[in-house]
Amino acid sequence: NAGVTQTPKFRVLKTGQSMTLLCAQDMNHEYMYWYRQDPGMGLRLIHYSVGEGTTAKGEVPDGYNVSRLKKQNFLLGLESAAPSQTSVYFCASSYSQGIYNEQFFGPGTRLTVL
Amino acid sequence: GEDVEQSLFLSVREGDSSVINCTYTDSSSTYLYWYKQEPGAGLQLLTYIFSNMDMKQDQRLTVLLNKKDKHLSLRIADTQTGDSAIYFCAESTNDYKLSFGAGTTVTVRA
Repeated sequence: NAGVTQTPKFRVLKTGQSMTLLCAQDMNHEYMYWYRQDPGMGLRLIHYSVGEGTTAKGEVPDGYNVSRLKKQNFLLGLESAAPSQTSVYFCASSYSQGIYNEQFFGPGTRLTVL
Repeated sequence: GEDVEQSLFLSVREGDSSVINCTYTDSSSTYLYWYKQEPGAGLQLLTYIFSNMDMKQDQRLTVLLNKKDKHLSLRIADTQTGDSAIYFCAESTNDYKLSFGAGTTVTVRA
């Protein structure tokens, strides 16, 4: 049982390049989330999904797109990377069907945009 | 909307108690959580409290909730070097999302 895994762990991009971050979970969770973590700002929600085939915008969605084609995977895309997207990205999943929402986090992807 | 605030740093001597404070603004918060992030790792749930409780104890951890003042605290007794980490307070309401504070970096010194 691997929990939540993220690929890649590190990446350096040039401004304007594109990339996709992959998140996978093997806990059969319905809900999945993408966050970014910046110093002094905690975690901010980028996009989330409440089930296969669904996605929704979070707090800071601009510049990112997501897809949830399979229940176990949640992809985060950057179409044209900008230096402001330099951050650590975390994926999380949860089983929540109600108000208790324990989220399980992946180890993170450290992205640098030059 | 939700807004969760925490102090950014705490330094504590090994063996002393640590107290990390958090304030939140959403009065409809149902569950409040404490997550721990060790260096280079993701967040892990440490403990949580339901909004109708005042206190919850779990081994070295004590969570206090003052719902009137919207204040949450986490006390770690007998702090050890392994407790050095970033601690995040988070709240959830009814929309599948969590709102996180900025995190408190706890440094344990010998």
